[in-house]
Amino acid sequence: SAVISQKPSRDICQRGTSLTIQCQVDSQVTMMFWYRQQPGQSLTLIATANQGSEATYESGFVIDKFPISRPNLTFSTLTVSNMSPEDSSIYLCSVADRVGAEAFFGQGTRLTVV
Amino acid sequence: LAKTTQPISMDSYEGQEVNITCSHNNIATNDYITWYQQFPSQGPRFIIQGYKTKVTNEVASLFIPADRKSSTLSLPRVSLSDTAVYYCLVGGANTGGFKTIFGAGTRLFVKA
Repeated sequence: SAVISQKPSRDICQRGTSLTIQCQVDSQVTMMFWYRQQPGQSLTLIATANQGSEATYESGFVIDKFPISRPNLTFSTLTVSNMSPEDSSIYLCSVADRVGAEAFFGQGTRLTVV
Repeated sequence: LAKTTQPISMDSYEGQEVNITCSHNNIATNDYITWYQQFPSQGPRFIIQGYKTKVTNEVASLFIPADRKSSTLSLPRVSLSDTAVYYCLVGGANTGGFKTIFGAGTRLFVKA
């Protein structure tokens, strides 16, 4: 199993600012993903963080708004840029290592934009 | 990725067996069926995964009929702590690779 540490666990930010969320895994993993979860809703995949190359974004998400870094096989960051209240959500990091393997999730970062 | 359909919510009582069925009519040959559990303020947690027939672990059983167009997660003798959202996911190497795409999930309420 993989243990995932996400920082910060929560934050309250002013609109127009940016927040960078860190995801650290205790072992090397092939794939890392970032999700968003609105209160009471399911998880929505934002992007796949690719090591050594640009992230792969899902429909409706763009790099300018959600830049992602993946410098190595154990670490990734997601930045929420130029925040608005609509960005208030829980952001989760997830990892998987092979086809069919279970995915592991961090505890999430609860973001409130005021 | 194959779309999944689950009941929005279910109620049960402590000690009962709970069965949550998921429809996935467009499942591909290489797709696995995976179930996750999510408690409030936590990330989802893997429960069980299967490809066909029946799979059982210490937490749950997963029943998959021969046509694989549906699956049933069975939770034996639930307790209050099993109150959570349960997600059914379908995917594999040729239908999304490693990506885990979540549907709406089923909210299970276990009552005393």
